[in-house]
Amino acid sequence: GEDVEQSLFLSVREGDSSVINCTYTDSSSTYLYWYKQEPGAGLQLLTYIFSNMDMKQDQRLTVLLNKKDKHLSLRIADTQTGDSAIYFCAEMWASGTYKYIFGTGTRLKVLA
Amino acid sequence: ETGVTQTPRHLVMGMTNKKSLKCEQHLGHNAMYWYKQSAKKPLELMFVYSLEERVENNSVPSRFSPECPNSSHLFLHLHTLQPEDSALYLCASSQEAGSYEQYFGPGTRLTVT
Repeated sequence: GEDVEQSLFLSVREGDSSVINCTYTDSSSTYLYWYKQEPGAGLQLLTYIFSNMDMKQDQRLTVLLNKKDKHLSLRIADTQTGDSAIYFCAEMWASGTYKYIFGTGTRLKVLA
Repeated sequence: ETGVTQTPRHLVMGMTNKKSLKCEQHLGHNAMYWYKQSAKKPLELMFVYSLEERVENNSVPSRFSPECPNSSHLFLHLHTLQPEDSALYLCASSQEAGSYEQYFGPGTRLTVT
């Protein structure tokens, strides 16, 4: 079945790098995403990667995709207290039908 | 007003009530979505509308009834809900259905008593 799994919690010190991991089951995904949700707010798209890419870098964010292992990761360099939030991994494919599957989210807590 | 807005932000309703959630997008997008976010569960896609036509309905109970009168507005009509329907309901929009980038509203926190 379709499933996206993430660890529930991650704690890092300010200035360190954070790595949030995600595994997915469907190899026909078109895009894979990382969203950020701050308390009381909706989801904010952070970055995405096409399924035919291995890596994407966007300022402090690096996304790595291992299609063989169906593993996606988000690395945040120089993590700041403002990065504390819930991070959702999601996959999407649109082929006759539209499917967006989200993980349960990883709560990142950045310690000063 | 920019982006995606949702009203109300909080709603408490009894199981016999009828209420509606409203979503409005100011981005000129053609696709709109309803999602349900429950505690400790993945975000669930409920409905997808493209150019005011429903293109996806993910086995959602009939007590949830969506309406899309135009490409800027999306409603979710609620009737005879159950306590397990209590959740955060998020609206999103994208340029086209299946576009890689969705923009989310802040959500409506629904509590069914």
